[in-house]
Amino acid sequence: DTGVSQDPRHKITKRGQNVTFRCDPISEHNRLYWYRQTLGQGPEFLTYFQNEAQLEKSRLLSDRFSAERPKGSFSTLEIQRTEQGDSAMYLCASSNEQGYEQYFGPGTRLTVT
Amino acid sequence: SQQGEEDPQALSIQEGENATMNCSYKTSINNLQWYRQNSGRGLVHLILIRSNEREKHSGRLRVTLDTSKKSSSLLITASRAADTASYFCATDGGVDYKLSFGAGTTVTVRA
Repeated sequence: DTGVSQDPRHKITKRGQNVTFRCDPISEHNRLYWYRQTLGQGPEFLTYFQNEAQLEKSRLLSDRFSAERPKGSFSTLEIQRTEQGDSAMYLCASSNEQGYEQYFGPGTRLTVT
Repeated sequence: SQQGEEDPQALSIQEGENATMNCSYKTSINNLQWYRQNSGRGLVHLILIRSNEREKHSGRLRVTLDTSKKSSSLLITASRAADTASYFCATDGGVDYKLSFGAGTTVTVRA
C-alpha cells in the first residue's frame, strides 16, 4: 500500500503527558500537511512542510505543539503537556509539487483523560 | 475559524435517489474540492473544480461552482448504501494550498 500512513491510529494519554505522532507521506510527495478535526467539525489546518522546511503554522498550534520533517520524508507531531482540549483526530495529508489534491492518512485519534 | 459552510448538515435519502448538498465560502478561492469521510476514517478526495470552471463531472458526481455567489454544490446521482458518509467542501486560496474545510454534510443512504 503506497498511501499515507499514520501511527499510532489511537492514543489515550493522561493530561500532562507528552505524545508524538508519526506520518509517512506518499513517497514522491514533497508537501505534507497536518490538520486537526474535532467531533462534528471539518479538519482545521495546523501546519505544512515543503520538503523539510516548515512553511506555515496556524495560530491553533500553540507553543506546546511542534512538528518536524527531517530529511523531507516522514513527519512527527509532538504535543507536550497534553490538555483535555487536545482530544481530537490528527490528520496528515501529502501532495505533489502542484499541491492541489491532498491525500489523507487514516488519522490518529487522541483522547486525553 | 472555518471557511465554508455546508448545507444541509444532514441528509437522509433512499437508495437510488439523488443527493444534493451545498457549500458556501467567504473569501476568494483558487480551487474548491469535495472530500468524503467514512465514519472515523481519513478523507478521500472526490473532485476538484478550479475557480474558472463552472461545472465538472466525475462518474456519479456533479459539481457546480458559482464564484459570484461564493457557493458550490455537489450532486450524487443514483445513490448507493456505500455513499453513506460525511462530505466536506474545502477551498484553497493561494500558493500554500492549505485547505479550509466546512463542517460537512452527513449523508445517510437507506437501503
